[in-house]
Amino acid sequence: AQSVTQLDSHVSVSEGTPVLLRCNYSSSYSPSLFWYVQHPNKGLQLLLKYTSAATLVKGINGFEAEFKKSETSFHLTKPSAHMSDAAEYFCVVSELTGGGNKLTFGTGTQLKVEL
Amino acid sequence: DTEVTQTPKHLVMGMTNKKSLKCEQHMGHRAMYWYKQKAKKPPELMFVYSYEKLSINESVPSRFSPECPNSSLLNLHLHALQPEDSALYLCASSQGLEYNQPQHFGDGTRLSIL
Repeated sequence: AQSVTQLDSHVSVSEGTPVLLRCNYSSSYSPSLFWYVQHPNKGLQLLLKYTSAATLVKGINGFEAEFKKSETSFHLTKPSAHMSDAAEYFCVVSELTGGGNKLTFGTGTQLKVEL
Repeated sequence: DTEVTQTPKHLVMGMTNKKSLKCEQHMGHRAMYWYKQKAKKPPELMFVYSYEKLSINESVPSRFSPECPNSSLLNLHLHALQPEDSALYLCASSQGLEYNQPQHFGDGTRLSIL
């Protein structure tokens, strides 16, 4: 069985400073990993995905994540936070079961961006 | 704007009502999903459809009844719901069932049970 641990339930940064959202995963085989963002009263938007190609993955809105197999980590970063980045972020690992593609979600990290 | 469209955006219903949630995608995706999301929690998978056939039912109570009329549409029929069923219901789709294919989500229907 696979699992995802998001190490921080809340992260607060100042606008213009770097963002780091931490994620560790457990998987018995080569995983597919995703980061999704959810703004209030909205659905989940895909930020980026890792699917065993380059270990440094670039996503939308200036976000990127690095897959580190030795550390079983997939941390999300952004060099400079913007007010519009305030949202809930989910780290997700994908599992192929007999019935189909199942996502295992982390518990989420609430990102607050202050002036 | 999302490419997965859900209607209605909000729904209030009594415990004896029958209502339906609708989801539509025109990306040519062949897998579609229903999730339930409670406040401050990640989404929980309810159902998976692949090529219009139900492939996963996560032991969801029978008061929730999914339907996939065609490859673009997914419905969730609701009957005799309980107050604890109040939540955000999200629909998602993916190109297929391969594990490396991301799911694309709609904005959800916020359901309140009186």
